[in-house]
Amino acid sequence: ETGVTQTPRHLVMGMTNKKSLKCEQHLGHNAMYWYKQSAKKPLELMFVYSLEERVENNSVPSRFSPECPNSSHLFLHLHTLQPEDSALYLCASSLQGGFGDEQYFGPGTRLTVT
Amino acid sequence: KQEVTQIPAALSVPEGENLVLNCSFTDSAIYNLQWFRQDPGKGLTSLLLIQSSQREQTSGRLNASLDKSSGRSTLYIAASQPGDSATYLCAVRVVGSNDYKLSFGAGTTVTVRA
Repeated sequence: ETGVTQTPRHLVMGMTNKKSLKCEQHLGHNAMYWYKQSAKKPLELMFVYSLEERVENNSVPSRFSPECPNSSHLFLHLHTLQPEDSALYLCASSLQGGFGDEQYFGPGTRLTVT
Repeated sequence: KQEVTQIPAALSVPEGENLVLNCSFTDSAIYNLQWFRQDPGKGLTSLLLIQSSQREQTSGRLNASLDKSSGRSTLYIAASQPGDSATYLCAVRVVGSNDYKLSFGAGTTVTVRA
């Protein structure tokens, strides 16, 4: 596998469920990102990790919990979500997280909360 | 707060016509600007990255210009093809306390008619 991969690609969950989204990058990058894309809205940055340390939490509700065990893997743990959390969740990575970096995106996980 | 606007929101052209997509941003203090392509329900594919010190970037039929002082970027796609149908997003990396953040526009959805 090359690039940035995300699993699952589609997820339907009830409001009381707990699930996790997984992202893996095979690019040797040191920074990873979670974005949320809701219908007809611009992408919103949720979290940023650089060298496995969280460097940005963009006022995201605590029902979203990120985890970065190493520089190649990023998780987003979900619990007690709301229907308005239904969206496309995109993971991205970049070389260092610095200002000149180009971000590479995964295919996304389409999440539906029922 | 950086605001990124893309006009028009949607565009339909016959095959072979050149495409011109516009992106404007309110704060000219940026590190770089990136153009992405997104197919329906899919992740983002990076097309071109222009650093703040550059005026344009080219890749095949694609050319992107950047006028940082006026807060504008234009993506040109020459001799459009039906396979160019997608949503095109621009994003800017803002100078400031949050160096990791990309601010996205809402996108221009392009349809190229065969």
